[in-house]
Amino acid sequence: AQSVSQHNHHVILSEAASLELGCNYSYGGTVNLFWYVQYPGQHLQLLLKYFSGDPLVKGIKGFEAEFIKSKFSFNLRKPSVQWSDTAEYFCAVNDRRSGGSYIPTFGRGTSLIVHP
Amino acid sequence: ETGVTQSPTHLIKTRGQQVTLRCSSQSGHNTVSWYQQALGQGPQFIFQYYREEENGRGNFPPRFSGLQFPNYSSELNVNALELDDSALYLCASRDPTTDTQYFGPGTRLTVL
Repeated sequence: AQSVSQHNHHVILSEAASLELGCNYSYGGTVNLFWYVQYPGQHLQLLLKYFSGDPLVKGIKGFEAEFIKSKFSFNLRKPSVQWSDTAEYFCAVNDRRSGGSYIPTFGRGTSLIVHP
Repeated sequence: ETGVTQSPTHLIKTRGQQVTLRCSSQSGHNTVSWYQQALGQGPQFIFQYYREEENGRGNFPPRFSGLQFPNYSSELNVNALELDDSALYLCASRDPTTDTQYFGPGTRLTVL
């Protein structure tokens, strides 16, 4: 079964610091990769996704992620964080199954706190 | 807001009871998924419905069942509730044009 590891459970940064959140998955078949964000008091929402093509994916609010197939990784980055980036971040992997269905697996999340 | 609504927002049940949670998806989204999110954990996939049929299931026992209706709204039913079923239950509908999931606010279930 697929597993998704997010290495940092809690990250605390000052504004303008750079951010990198790690995400590794275990099953190397055909996968789609996602980062979701949950701001305090809000719904889980999509930050960015990778299906195919350029392994460097740009998302909303200046976030980007790089898919490295050989390392089974999909790390999230932002060059300069803002206080408003304080949120919970989840990495997720969809395993494509025959028949077109998919099974999504989420990591346990990383709580990011950005101090002004 | 995503346009995905869930009801009720909170629910308290006792062990052994049954519960039904409801989800209204966004217009045009013909796929709905249900997730269980325990405190401090990521969402765990329960199952997915596409055009009223289950077409993907996670590692959950048969006492977790679901329905999808012709208007693409959905229900999650849990029988014989256990204490470990206490969690936030999330529903997500999928936009078929972008393959993007949109999550609802969740239902917080407490089993005593």
